[in-house]
Amino acid sequence: DTEVTQTPKHLVMGMTNKKSLKCEQHMGHRAMYWYKQKAKKPPELMFVYSYEKLSINESVPSRFSPECPNSSLLNLHLHALQPEDSALYLCASSRYSENTGELFFGEGSRLTVL
Amino acid sequence: DAKTTQPTSMDCAEGRAANLPCNHSTISGNEYVYWYRQIHSQGPQYIIHGLKNNETNEMASLIITEDRKSSTLILPHATLRDTAVYYCIVRVGNTGNQFYFGTGTSLTVIP
Repeated sequence: DTEVTQTPKHLVMGMTNKKSLKCEQHMGHRAMYWYKQKAKKPPELMFVYSYEKLSINESVPSRFSPECPNSSLLNLHLHALQPEDSALYLCASSRYSENTGELFFGEGSRLTVL
Repeated sequence: DAKTTQPTSMDCAEGRAANLPCNHSTISGNEYVYWYRQIHSQGPQYIIHGLKNNETNEMASLIITEDRKSSTLILPHATLRDTAVYYCIVRVGNTGNQFYFGTGTSLTVIP
């Protein structure tokens, strides 16, 4: 199994809603990532989890709250988002502490904030 | 924190080799170069990576200059399905867990 599965594929939410994006992998990877991608722009790194601990936060606003409940799951909790947060959110995983391992990406969750 | 620069766009005739350049002049000695591509709104797809030697797999070849300041991704026989945005990435960080995408090259394969 070399897949990273993201749900939901599409999400529409209001600015006062609370929602979550989910990501799952069963490759035994111990590093998991969230990226944000706006239209016609490259993916921007948001968070990195290593061994279920947050290791990198790229100064992301607190309305985005990541969670890694176990080594296979990664969540992104969303609260009080703004319309400019509408984007494609990509999850990825990789082997940890190994400079030669590549990132495996999911197909993304497309978020629209009204 | 992108450490790479790439041309914004390129065209390539179908069946010909596509050569996509990337500059990474600040790369450190233990940092790898990765190439990914993204077909419209799908998740990025891994292509190839390397440290200092040239690499080849079933998808592409990667040529890294001796000083490691630049590299070229070669798609030997481009097809219409190779039309995508190609990203050159330097993997950084003490544990190699930081992948920062550059601006990418939009490759259009022309029939």
